[in-house]
Amino acid sequence: AQTVTQSQPEMSVQEAETVTLSCTYDTSENNYYLFWYKQPPSRQMILVIRQEAYKQQNATENRFSVNFQKAAKSFSLKISDSQLGDTAMYFCAFMKKEGAQKLVFGQGTRLTINP
Amino acid sequence: DTGVSQDPRHKITKRGQNVTFRCDPISEHNRLYWYRQTLGQGPEFLTYFQNEAQLEKSRLLSDRFSAERPKGSFSTLEIQRTEQGDSAMYLCASSLAWTPSGYTFGSGTRLTVV
Repeated sequence: AQTVTQSQPEMSVQEAETVTLSCTYDTSENNYYLFWYKQPPSRQMILVIRQEAYKQQNATENRFSVNFQKAAKSFSLKISDSQLGDTAMYFCAFMKKEGAQKLVFGQGTRLTINP
Repeated sequence: DTGVSQDPRHKITKRGQNVTFRCDPISEHNRLYWYRQTLGQGPEFLTYFQNEAQLEKSRLLSDRFSAERPKGSFSTLEIQRTEQGDSAMYLCASSLAWTPSGYTFGSGTRLTVV
């Protein structure tokens, strides 16, 4: 079975700063995806960024980028130039490429961006 | 298409009552998933459908829970004889099988059992 661990329950930074959220996972699979989802207080889960395990290049979406270390099973999210609207719960998630494509989530990190 | 819709947004019920939630997925998505999220935790998989077939159920889904997706369109999740431990957010998501784009989630139904 796969497990996802987020070791930072809460983080807080000032607006415009850069912040990095940590995530580790455990799997014996070779073909999988990793995701970061954002859940604001309005509670709809929104996809932030996706990484395919077979791709060595780290995914980037505007201010959001990941550091994917496959051997270490680490998948951190970096938010540059943080904005007040980035305040939310952030969840790291794992998905096997084949089969049911269920998401396995970490416990989440509550990120607060302070003005 | 307005995304994944869930109804109701909130439900308060007395212990022992039955409740039913509805999810309308994105129309072209053939997969529909139900997850449960308790306070301060990540969502946990409950069950999923491909078209109208329910292909997998989690051990979390006790026999008091039943889900349907008639005609492969909307889905319902029913909880019979609710217990206080059923209090949670119930999230629905849909996707197109075998595409790597991830899911589209609904806003969830928050259930409170008193």
